[in-house]
Amino acid sequence: DQQVKQNSPSLSVQEGRISILNCDYTNSMFDYFLWYKKYPAEGPTFLISISSIKDKNEDGRFTVFLNKSAKHLSLHIVPSQPGDSAVYFCAASRNNDMRFGAGTRLTVKP
Amino acid sequence: DAGVIQSPRHEVTEMGQEVTLRCKPISGHNSLFWYRQTMMRGLELLIYFNNNVPIDDSGMPEDRFSAKMPNASFSTLKIQPSEPRDSAVYFCASSSRGSVSYEQYFGPGTRLTVT
Repeated sequence: DQQVKQNSPSLSVQEGRISILNCDYTNSMFDYFLWYKKYPAEGPTFLISISSIKDKNEDGRFTVFLNKSAKHLSLHIVPSQPGDSAVYFCAASRNNDMRFGAGTRLTVKP
Repeated sequence: DAGVIQSPRHEVTEMGQEVTLRCKPISGHNSLFWYRQTMMRGLELLIYFNNNVPIDDSGMPEDRFSAKMPNASFSTLKIQPSEPRDSAVYFCASSSRGSVSYEQYFGPGTRLTVT
């Protein structure tokens, strides 16, 4: 069962604009959420996280928003840069259980 | 720091052969994780260790898979015998947080092809 879903397999954005990547989850018991970025032939790299007690966490150009009632989180990248082109995975965890989404491929066009 | 090191980067083997994947975690990290990534199932946690002790191996697909961590700087994932459906990218990750829940540092992965 897919407890974490990224319904958009790909997203294309112009350089300088905002990129919004979305993620939905089904298990309301998840209490920690993460975003990873993955370049080809490399392992995923941790990007940003958020605890379920918060609804927003910001780190430079990256902001994660959590809407617990909707079981939805999103990653905003502003402004988007060509180097942001990668596959982005969201993940949700509780205790010793971590689930990943299938990923969204972001392409930032110059 | 060299990061998480995995070897080999690519492995091609024939069905029925034994395959051993290796991982060296980041020095000082006390948790180590093995993941498998496939097109069908995405990224799945197979097993993780805390302080060299296996904590949860419920993700290991079947008895053909085994993992060991003889010391804090080395772990292996073994498949014996290998089957074509084991073809995937296998990632090792490590963490200093002692839990699967928090940020982990991934190695570059081993791409396994079983023919």
